[in-house]
Amino acid sequence: QKEVEQNSGPLSVPEGAIASLNCTYSDRVSQSFFWYRQYSGKSPELIMSIYSNGDKEDGRFTAQLNKASQYVSLLIRDSQPSDSATYLCAVRGLETGANNLFFGTGTRLTVIP
Amino acid sequence: DGGITQSPKYLFRKEGQNVTLSCEQNLNHDAMYWYRQDPGQGLRLIYYSQIVNDFQKGDIAEGYSVSREKKESFPLTVTSAQKNPTAFYLCASSSVGGQGSYEQYFGPGTRLTVT
Repeated sequence: QKEVEQNSGPLSVPEGAIASLNCTYSDRVSQSFFWYRQYSGKSPELIMSIYSNGDKEDGRFTAQLNKASQYVSLLIRDSQPSDSATYLCAVRGLETGANNLFFGTGTRLTVIP
Repeated sequence: DGGITQSPKYLFRKEGQNVTLSCEQNLNHDAMYWYRQDPGQGLRLIYYSQIVNDFQKGDIAEGYSVSREKKESFPLTVTSAQKNPTAFYLCASSSVGGQGSYEQYFGPGTRLTVT
């Protein structure tokens, strides 16, 4: 089983709608959780970090973490065409050390004007 | 401006040649990382370093080498031993320790093409 799994999409939503992106992870990797946005041809950009169960909101973005069910999600409210990108979920493992950040393969989001 | 720079943005090399990719950061981060990204795949860790003069192999270190002589710099050499070097190479850095740490910030990347 892969450490971090995401639906590759593509996920299409109309402008103004809520986009919901999901990520599940294995038991071994369950310390800290991150969402990155990657535009085509560009490098990943960190948009959200979440460390404890529940919701964390930042502007139009809400990250939700449920450790019991081993999933983390990202909600984008009032989706804009500029949100069209691939969203990567990353999870830091239980062991100490700087190396063990596991990335999913990403979900491609398209916001239709 | 604080950030991570990588150079060059695009690099073309002939098979059999070694090539070195540059990565510099002025974020005062202790840890630095190299990843490669192939189409349709996630990021795969090549090497990482938590402190000057020390580095560790990641999941796909074969055919690559690194050095960490300065805190700000973490160059990656792609050697002729790397069987499939054509990829998008990403350098990242993070602080170490504390809950807000381990957030990795990426440079703009180097797209390497070997023919």
